[in-house]
Amino acid sequence: GIQVEQSPPDLILQEGANSTLRCNFSDSVNNLQWFHQNPWGQLINLFYIPSGTKQNGRLSATTVATERYSLLYISSSQTTDSGVYFCAVPEETSGSRLTFGEGTQLTVNP
Amino acid sequence: DVKVTQSSRYLVKRTGEKVFLECVQDMDHENMFWYRQDPGLGLRLIYFSYDVKMKEKGDIPEGYSVSREKKERFSLILESASTNQTSMYLCASSLQARRYEQYFGPGTRLTVT
Repeated sequence: GIQVEQSPPDLILQEGANSTLRCNFSDSVNNLQWFHQNPWGQLINLFYIPSGTKQNGRLSATTVATERYSLLYISSSQTTDSGVYFCAVPEETSGSRLTFGEGTQLTVNP
Repeated sequence: DVKVTQSSRYLVKRTGEKVFLECVQDMDHENMFWYRQDPGLGLRLIYFSYDVKMKEKGDIPEGYSVSREKKERFSLILESASTNQTSMYLCASSLQARRYEQYFGPGTRLTVT
């Protein structure tokens, strides 16, 4: 099956700093999702981004499907950005299933 | 906005009990999923369903069963709870037309003592 790798595994920032999270995948995909898991455990949809660039406030994401990676940018980070960020791609041979990366644990300190 | 709800945020059960975890979505999604999440193991798919009364095994179905009698509701059943089923359980749903865009509920943190 498809392999998904995220980097870095852990990231510690001061409030106000910018960051880039990376998601690499081993095969071509036609969809990709970014999620934020908040400290209470819920996964929040950030982006559904098969290709190109999308922006939502201080967050933006870019997927370059031909080169098999996606980037999540967080600008002017806030303490509420803390949590785990996951990317997920489809398992094409398995219907609607997703393969998740192992996540990036982000801590934003005040 | 899509809303996925789960019956409990926290649940404590005893070994051997039958446990029901309920998930409801309000967006007429065809697909529904149950995952468990454990430290170091990531998200693992237990079961999923494409339609009412349809179910398919995921990666770790042993010790679990599911029920989907209505389109909006997907139940996960632990027939006889064991301590190794202590975990965070996450439900998700997706529309078949955008089947890879999954929406998650708030999760149920289950402890089996």
